[in-house]
Amino acid sequence: NAGVMQNPRHLVRRRGQEARLRCSPMKGHSHVYWYRQLPEEGLKFMVYLQKENIIDESGMPKERFSAEFPKEGPSILRIQQVVRGDSAAYFCASSPASQGTGELFFGEGSRLTVL
Amino acid sequence: GESVGLHLPTLSVQEGDNSIINCAYSNSASDYFIWYKQESGKGPQFIIDIRSNMDKRQGQRVTVLLNKTVKHLSLQIAATQPGDSAVYFCAVATGGGNKLTFGTGTQLKVEL
Repeated sequence: NAGVMQNPRHLVRRRGQEARLRCSPMKGHSHVYWYRQLPEEGLKFMVYLQKENIIDESGMPKERFSAEFPKEGPSILRIQQVVRGDSAAYFCASSPASQGTGELFFGEGSRLTVL
Repeated sequence: GESVGLHLPTLSVQEGDNSIINCAYSNSASDYFIWYKQESGKGPQFIIDIRSNMDKRQGQRVTVLLNKTVKHLSLQIAATQPGDSAVYFCAVATGGGNKLTFGTGTQLKVEL
């Protein structure tokens, strides 16, 4: 029973390049959340998606960042024209529904380094 | 907006002792309060949660206490073991959804 799968685990990009981070939720889960974690800090909410819908993107930067969760395939967090400040660990979490218990199942994260 | 803080960045305890990690939150409308454990290089792992209509909940070796009067949350770990060494985050959810606001974390170090 696979958990939340994220790839790549580590990604290095040069300034101006694009970064694509993928997340496959746990089997049976239809809700996906993306969080960003800077070194020595807590996780910051970015976006909440259901299949083919963005439910809440209040934590997403207005520019360069986008997210999708298509009908088929993983959720994608896309960062265009990366800058050094984008270097962070990006965690995806999933839940079976918005049951409001706060029990999210997290992946191991994708660590982005921008040179 | 919601803000969540932790009282200590690092907590060192002796193996076998009890650990208490504290957290303060700001939004009195918060519905759920959750503790996560994050080991180095890994994703956060759910430990225990508590609803706003409760003040105490127990799990296996862990107890969460909620004091809504002073907006304070604590995690107690009994008989702390080396495997408990990790960063512990409190998080709050508001409005019935799973959008969580995390605190900055407390590094728990267990000394042998």
